[in-house]
Amino acid sequence: AQSVTQLGSHVSVSEGALVLLRCNYSSSVPPYLFWYVQYPNQGLQLLLKYTSAATLVKGINGFEAEFKKSETSFHLTKPSAHMSDAAEYFCAVSNGGSQGNLIFGKGTKLSVKP
Amino acid sequence: NAGVTQTPKFQVLKTGQSMTLQCAQDMNHNSMYWYRQDPGMGLRLIYYSASEGTTDKGEVPNGYNVSRLNKREFSLRLESAAPSQTSVYFCASSEAHKGPWFFGPGTRLTVL
Repeated sequence: AQSVTQLGSHVSVSEGALVLLRCNYSSSVPPYLFWYVQYPNQGLQLLLKYTSAATLVKGINGFEAEFKKSETSFHLTKPSAHMSDAAEYFCAVSNGGSQGNLIFGKGTKLSVKP
Repeated sequence: NAGVTQTPKFQVLKTGQSMTLQCAQDMNHNSMYWYRQDPGMGLRLIYYSASEGTTDKGEVPNGYNVSRLNKREFSLRLESAAPSQTSVYFCASSEAHKGPWFFGPGTRLTVL
C-alpha cells in the first residue's frame, strides 16, 4: 500500500531563509509525486509534479523538489522564503494505477517570520 | 475555463438532515473525486469515479453516497448528517493516472 509521510506538522523560517519541507513515500511501483499548496480558506494549488522524467523538478513560485529513489524522498525546497509563502503544503503520491487515486500526507504548515 | 466548481461554499446542517454537494468540471476529465479535509489528517478520499457511469469507495465512504451524473458532474450526498461529518469537502478531477489533479475551492460543512 502506498503512503506518504511529511516530517514536521509545523515549520517556521525567517524571511530570506531556506525553506525545506520533507516528504517520504512508500510505493511498490514507480510513483508519481506531487506537492500542493493551500492558502488559508482556499483550495489546493499544484506546485509541482514528478512523473518519472527529470529527478529535479521545478515548480511555481521558485519552489523545486528532488526525487531520490534510494531515499524514497521528495523534499520541497525554496532558496529564500517570502512572507507570501506562508501556507500549508501537502505532499501526495499516486501509483498511476487504474484507480488513479492520490494519497496525501498530513500536511506541513509553513510560517515565515519577518 | 472555470476548472472545478463546487456549490455551496458554506453549509450548516442539523443532525439528521440531508444535503447534496455539487461538483462540475469543464476540462473534459474522465476521473473525478471527493475528498474531505480535517485538521491534522490531510485529505482523505471518500469516493471516486474513474469514468462516467462508474463509482468506487475510497478510504472513508461511510455515511456518503455519490452520483456521476455525466462526464462533467459528480455529486456527493449526505443522507443523514452527523457531527462527525463536519469538515471541508473538496472535489477534484484528473485526465489520466499520472495526474495532476485539479481541485475545487471546497465546501465548508458544519453539522450541529
